[in-house]
Amino acid sequence: LAKTTQPISMDSYEGQEVNITCSHNNIATNDYITWYQQFPSQGPRFIIQGYKTKVTNEVASLFIPADRKSSTLSLPRVSLSDTAVYYCLVGMDSNYQLIWGAGTKLIIKP
Amino acid sequence: DAGVTQSPTHLIKTRGQQVTLRCSPKSGHDTVSWYQQALGQGPQFIFQYYEEEERQRGNFPDRFSGHQFPNYSSELNVNALLLGDSALYLCASSTLGRGGGETQYFGPGTRLLVL
Repeated sequence: LAKTTQPISMDSYEGQEVNITCSHNNIATNDYITWYQQFPSQGPRFIIQGYKTKVTNEVASLFIPADRKSSTLSLPRVSLSDTAVYYCLVGMDSNYQLIWGAGTKLIIKP
Repeated sequence: DAGVTQSPTHLIKTRGQQVTLRCSPKSGHDTVSWYQQALGQGPQFIFQYYEEEERQRGNFPDRFSGHQFPNYSSELNVNALLLGDSALYLCASSTLGRGGGETQYFGPGTRLLVL
């Protein structure tokens, strides 16, 4: 099963771009990479999903290199409300079970 | 369009008791997964239901059981509660599709406290 590794925590400031990198060395051919955001005592919220290269939506971008052994979530111009835990997940095509790591606690300062 | 809903929001039980948590999936979704999230940790997969059957199961004892109804809603039952069962229980719904590519949408969770 593919395991993900993320930094435990990160700090940044309002208005900055934040990049969170996730390692997934054992990713399989059919696996997708998904990022979720979670606020305290709430369910995780889907941010973005990708398979290769670059994916962009209204809230974030996801960069995936050709070897797919890592991925980077990019949050443009963060605000205080972006303070949350961010989870990188590798979707298993074989058993549908999402592997959740410990997540990255992102703290945005004024 | 209602998202995933869970009930109750909070629950307090004592050791040895039994608890039932409920989940209604997002409209159009047919698959429900349950997760346990201890404080400060990532969610741990309990099991997943599709077509009223358990499709996948994580590393949880038989005290944890579930059910899915014809309308796709689901229940999570935990028997003989232990103090360690105190956690946020999350329900996520999705559509059975390309496996790893399916996007799961989570409910707000049920906070269970076992005394």
